[in-house]
Amino acid sequence: QQQVKQSPQSLIVQKGGISIINCAYENTAFDYFPWYQQFPGKGPALLIAIRPDVSEKKEGRFTISFNKSAKQFSLHIMDSQPGDSATYFCAASMLGEKLTFGTGTRLTIIP
Amino acid sequence: GAVVSQHPSRVICKSGTSVKIECRSLDFQATTMFWYRQFPKQSLMLMATSNEGSKATYEQGVEKDKFLINHASLTLSTLTVTSAHPEDSSFYICSATPRDRGLSYTFGSGTRLTVV
Repeated sequence: QQQVKQSPQSLIVQKGGISIINCAYENTAFDYFPWYQQFPGKGPALLIAIRPDVSEKKEGRFTISFNKSAKQFSLHIMDSQPGDSATYFCAASMLGEKLTFGTGTRLTIIP
Repeated sequence: GAVVSQHPSRVICKSGTSVKIECRSLDFQATTMFWYRQFPKQSLMLMATSNEGSKATYEQGVEKDKFLINHASLTLSTLTVTSAHPEDSSFYICSATPRDRGLSYTFGSGTRLTVV
């Protein structure tokens, strides 16, 4: 019930393309869904987050799509750049409670 | 924005010694702090949750006598790895939840612990 499943495990996208990472959750009590970006040797940094009362949120090149009925959410990175190469984690939590992380996606943007 | 400072960033210690890692919220009061462990190419694994002034809540399988967590103030939590062994070598990351800034989690930059 606490799991968050993330796919793909790794992703290679050409520069300028769209990177898409998907997550699915089981616990319907989750009400906060963030995405984190992590570079090697650094802590995760919040990219964008969504609450279940909206189906989409966009911040710059990053968009979260949220499907409450399917219990799925995804991260879209538009116009992907080499600097976006990092590991991305989805997560979910109930208000103020501990985060449950997905398994991570290693994204590589190639020229 | 909310900033969490974690120190040290890297530490090497000998087997059998203890190591303390500090996590400070610099510009906010942290009601709750979380401690994670991350192995190479893996996700973050929650070790424990600490609330200011009370005992930490440890996740199943985490030895509370080995990983001592103290959250003595609203801006400081410490993780002490006692009697460290090579298998304790890992990347440790803290996270803090602000008391009055709504729902958000700010992460420290992590501590790379190597036990030799």
